[in-house]
Parts: sequence; structure tokens; C-alpha cells
Amino acid sequence: QKEVEQNSGPLSVPEGAIASLNCTYSDRGSQSFFWYRQYSGKSPELIMFIYSNGDKEDGRFTAQLNKASQYVSLLIRDSQPSDSATYLCAVVRTDSWGKLQFGAGTQVVVTP
Amino acid sequence: DTAVSQTPKYLVTQMGNDKSIKCEQNLGHDTMYWYKQDSKKFLKIMFSYNNKELIINETVPNRFSPKSPDKAHLNLHINSLELGDSAVYFCASSHAETQYFGPGTRLLVL
Repeated sequence: QKEVEQNSGPLSVPEGAIASLNCTYSDRGSQSFFWYRQYSGKSPELIMFIYSNGDKEDGRFTAQLNKASQYVSLLIRDSQPSDSATYLCAVVRTDSWGKLQFGAGTQVVVTP
Repeated sequence: DTAVSQTPKYLVTQMGNDKSIKCEQNLGHDTMYWYKQDSKKFLKIMFSYNNKELIINETVPNRFSPKSPDKAHLNLHINSLELGDSAVYFCASSHAETQYFGPGTRLLVL
């Protein structure tokens, strides 16, 4: 079992709709959770991080964390063509010197 | 101003050669990382240094040797390059747990 699992997609989303991305993790010692966006041929770019159970909102992005169920999700509201990218979920244990464990990423395609 | 920079951007070389990739960050961060992203886009950590000290050393062939001359620089030297080393190598630096990635070095071994 992979430590961090994501649906690889592609996830096709109409412009203006909500994109919902899910991520599950196996290590219960994971304490910090990150969503990175990676455009084709570019480097990963941090979108959001979340540490506590519940929701965290930043602009059109909302991260949701449920530690009991070991999942973290990302919602993208009012999706735009510029949101078309691969979204990487990453988790960190507190005793791991910031070692990010990445999922394989979910490709999102926003169609006009 | 580039926060995390890497050189070279592209590297094409023959099997068996030795090559180095350099990374510099001007963010004042104490911790730097090397990641490898393979053809399936899976991003995996290789090494990490904190204040010039090696703190993460994943299961990586010993042909790969990182070096940190100071906390703003982290280089990666690869000996006896193999076809399977072809990938994109990303350097990153961090403040607390937030990591910032460099633009990547695309390595192609022929």
C-alpha cells in the first residue's frame, strides 16, 4: 500500500464548477498536510497546508482534513482553465525533519 | 529575484559519465532538499541538509552524493550515470515545514 494515495485522473471539470480532489494516507503519525500544484514542465507550487481537523479556506481553495479517517481533500471553487494542472498531496510526520511524502498526483482539466 | 535556483536547467549526457547539479537559495532557510521526479511524475525525496548537516538520506544508490558547502547551497553529484537516472531533479528549501521548490534540472542519460 502506498503511503499517500490519490486518484490519478484526469479529473475533467467544467469552467465555473467545483473540483474535488481526495487524498488518503496510511501513516497515523502524519501531522502536516500540503497541497501542491504542478503545471506541466514546472516545479511544484504550494497552494495550501492544513494541520488541524476541519476546513481551511484560502480564496477559491478549501482544504479539508479528517485525521480519524486519514484523508485530506482539496476543493477548488469556480474552476478556471488556469487551474488545469496536476495537484500533489503531501504529508509530513512531526519527527521526520520535514520529509514530504507525496502522492502520485491528480491531473485536473478545466474545460471552457 | 529567484528564491531557489538550480543549474543547469537541462543536462544530456552519456551513460557512465559523472555530472553535478547545483542549487542555491536566497531565502535564508536552514534546510534544503533534493527530490527526484520520475517519468510517471512521482516525486520522491532523496536527501536533506539542515545547516550543512545531512539529516535525511533515503535509499538512494551511493553513486549519488550530496554536498552542502554552506546553508544556502546544496549540490548533487552523480557518478557513473545510468539510463534509470533520467528524471527531473528538484531542489527545495524550507522554513518550518513549508517547502519551496526550484525550477528543476531535467537529466537525460543516453
